[in-house]
Amino acid sequence: DAKTTQPNSMESNEEEPVHLPCNHSTISGTDYIHWYRQLPSQGPEYVIHGLTSNVNNRMASLAIAEDRKSSTLILHRATLRDAAVYYCILSRIDNYGQNFVFGPGTRLSVLP
Amino acid sequence: NAGVTQTPKFRILKIGQSMTLQCAQDMNHNYMYWYRQDPGMGLKLIYYSVGAGITDKGEVPNGYNVSRSTTEDFPLRLELAAPSQTSVYFCASSSPRVTGNTEAFFGQGTRLTVV
Repeated sequence: DAKTTQPNSMESNEEEPVHLPCNHSTISGTDYIHWYRQLPSQGPEYVIHGLTSNVNNRMASLAIAEDRKSSTLILHRATLRDAAVYYCILSRIDNYGQNFVFGPGTRLSVLP
Repeated sequence: NAGVTQTPKFRILKIGQSMTLQCAQDMNHNYMYWYRQDPGMGLKLIYYSVGAGITDKGEVPNGYNVSRSTTEDFPLRLELAAPSQTSVYFCASSSPRVTGNTEAFFGQGTRLTVV
């Protein structure tokens, strides 16, 4: 399975934008880039995913590099509720299912 | 929609006891997964299923068993509980489309302690 690399932790001030980076230099053509977040004592929650083009939804934006070897999750205005562990995952569908391989993620702290 | 429902939320087991962690989804998803998460770590895949009657091992299957008799339910069985199985267990489901990847939905977790 292709691996991702993320910083262990990041800090942001409330109401400022946050850019969470992810490197995935061994990504294959069929891998989708997914982002999930996990609030304290909860299950992971889907944030956004994409293949090649940048994606926007109500929670965040996903910027994907042209060579697809890296991506950035953008939270436009961080709130205290956005403090969580953010996971960048490569997911593909094959004969064995749709895999989601979790790394340790980035712990985001939001300062008031 | 309830999404993915896991029961129980908490459980304490003695070494050597058995139990079943329940997972149900009401989204008609064909793919279901069991993960475990140890403190400060990411999730590790235990077992997964691509449809009723079909299951397969993930990264850390030892000490666990699963079955998938219906689309909705995917129970995880611990036969002889060991302290190394103390963890938080998450069930998830997804329904990838032929034309594209899709997101997974996770339950709220079962916190298991083996003493």
